[in-house]
Amino acid sequence: EIVLTQSPATLSLSPGERATLSCRASQSVSSYLAWYQQKPGQAPRLLIYDASNRATGIPARFSGSGSGTDFTLTISSLEPEDFAVYYCQQRRTFGQGTKVEIK
Amino acid sequence: EVQLVQSGAEVKKPGESLKISCKGSGYSFTSYWIGWVRQMPGKGLEWMGIIYPGDSDTRYSPSFQGQVTISADKSISTAYLQWSSLKASDTAMYYCALGRYGDNYYFDYWGQGTLVTVSS
Repeated sequence: EIVLTQSPATLSLSPGERATLSCRASQSVSSYLAWYQQKPGQAPRLLIYDASNRATGIPARFSGSGSGTDFTLTISSLEPEDFAVYYCQQRRTFGQGTKVEIK
Repeated sequence: EVQLVQSGAEVKKPGESLKISCKGSGYSFTSYWIGWVRQMPGKGLEWMGIIYPGDSDTRYSPSFQGQVTISADKSISTAYLQWSSLKASDTAMYYCALGRYGDNYYFDYWGQGTLVTVSS
């Protein structure tokens, strides 16, 4: 099974700042990677699929990049509602998550 | 409107059996995968397994193979997750989710979650 390692575990930033989250796969997954956002008490929400495609209704400030083993989720300018936990997923595996918290 | 509506919270004792449900609406139930995801208290997401209701093709994570059973009744557009003998370590939130991206298993719609508490 593929292992996904997310870093950092926690990212402390202020509204308006840029967030850069990393997801590394233990072997190449081509571009088959998704990103999700989860807020407390809510189900996860699909943000990005196939590494760089925004899901329906996702704001343009969210972007994904990467291929092979290294992937990045970028939030260009953090809005108050973006403070949450973010997970990457490749088929049957989720990463352990990155918490984006208010500094 | 696509919706996945899960059954309500459960409180069970160790050793008891349980079956929770996930009813899909607003889309062709037999045409897309439905998966189950566990989230233990304060922890991350764990992929448990997935079923294609059209032909009941079911795939499990090695971590959950033999521990749970996933099934679906396409006549009532409902998927199920069941345990034959619960353990305290099964205490978690369980989400069903809809995968409309083929074998990539990306989940674009999620149920509201079913909280399962196992305690003596």
